[in-house]
This record gives sequence, structure tokens and C-alpha cells, in this order.
Amino acid sequence: SAVISQKPSRDICQRGTSLTIQCQVDSQVTMMFWYRQQPGQSLTLIATANQGSEATYESGFVIDKFPISRPNLTFSTLTVSNMSPEDSSIYLCSVDGADPHQETQYFGPGTRLLVL
Amino acid sequence: GDSVTQMEGPVTLSEEAFLTINCTYTATGYPSLFWYVQYPGEGLQLLLKATKADDKGSNKGFEATYRKETTSFHLEKGSVQVSDSAVYFCALSDPGSGYALNFGKGTSLLVTP
Repeated sequence: SAVISQKPSRDICQRGTSLTIQCQVDSQVTMMFWYRQQPGQSLTLIATANQGSEATYESGFVIDKFPISRPNLTFSTLTVSNMSPEDSSIYLCSVDGADPHQETQYFGPGTRLLVL
Repeated sequence: GDSVTQMEGPVTLSEEAFLTINCTYTATGYPSLFWYVQYPGEGLQLLLKATKADDKGSNKGFEATYRKETTSFHLEKGSVQVSDSAVYFCALSDPGSGYALNFGKGTSLLVTP
């Protein structure tokens, strides 16, 4: 499976500011996904990021709030914009498995964000 | 749409007890099914998976069988250890939805010595 790293691992931010989270994979992957895990909750998909195209956002998530970049097949960023305390969550990126196991996703360690 | 339902936690067991965590799903297509585990303070790790009906996934003593007739994927382990204490997530992936994972709410397991 791919080795995935995320930066930063955690951060404490002030409301109204923005934070960019980086996700780096040690091999080329087709699909990258960004999830949010609110305290004590399950994971919710924010968007799917494919290289060379706009990210596809799930209902309830918009590009202005969560802009995503996918400049190549090993890297993606998620920005949490104009943050409020409700954005305090763990943000995780994941990647699809290599063909023929594309249905399997592997997760990074997550970024723990606290907004004051 | 697709959905996953897990038994509510927390589940507390003594070491060496038998574990079952129930998971049922609804899906319009032919999903793949997964169990992920999240240890305290860590990210998600794939525990096991099954990609078609009657497949059995297994890893680290855990097992789950993809039952299409009952739309279930229950997680079992014959003898739990303290180190199994974690949150367990059942999830499905439908190729018709671009392989995005749809997670259950998670079940917290605490194993006591």
C-alpha cells in the first residue's frame, strides 16, 4: 500500500484565518480524497481530487470554503478558509489502491485542527 | 443512496472474550465492503475487505463475510486483546459513486484486562 504523509499533523488557528493542509504520497495515484472527521463522529467525504481536473465536492461542501489543488499524481492540498470553531476536526486524505484494487483506500495520519 | 449502519457503542469486553460488531448496508449496485480501525490518536487503517458476495476478509484474527442475502458484513474476533481497543468503522465503496467510501458511525471497543 502507498505511504501517505500529511502536513501539518496538528494546528491551532484563530477564527477568520485559513489553513492549507498538504497530502503527499510516495507513488502515483489516480484518485485522492479529502474527508472530515468531526469530534467523536464518523468520516464525511469533502471532495474527490483528480489530477488535471476540478475537484468534485459532496453536498454541503463548497469550493470557496474548501479549495483543493491537485497539481500532480502524488500531491494534493486542501485549504480550510475563513475558519470558525465549527471547522475544528480531523482532516484526512486518502488515495485509491493500485489497479486492480482501486476500490480500496489508504489513509494518511490526519491533520488535527482546532479553531479558537 | 448508499448507506452503512453499525451497532452503537461503546462496547466493553474482557480480554479473550468473543467480539461481534454488526454492520448492515444498503446499496444500489455491487459494492465492496471494508472494516477500518482507528487506534487512539491515529489515522484510519484498513483492517480487512471483501469485494463480492460470500467473500471472507480476514486480518489479525478478525473476520467478516460479505452476505448479500442479509446485506451484512459483521466483524468478528474469537479472542480480543487489550491492544484491540479502538474505534471500528464499517464502510462501503460503490464504483458507481467513483469509489468514494461511505462510512458507518463507528463502534468504540474497549477491552479490559
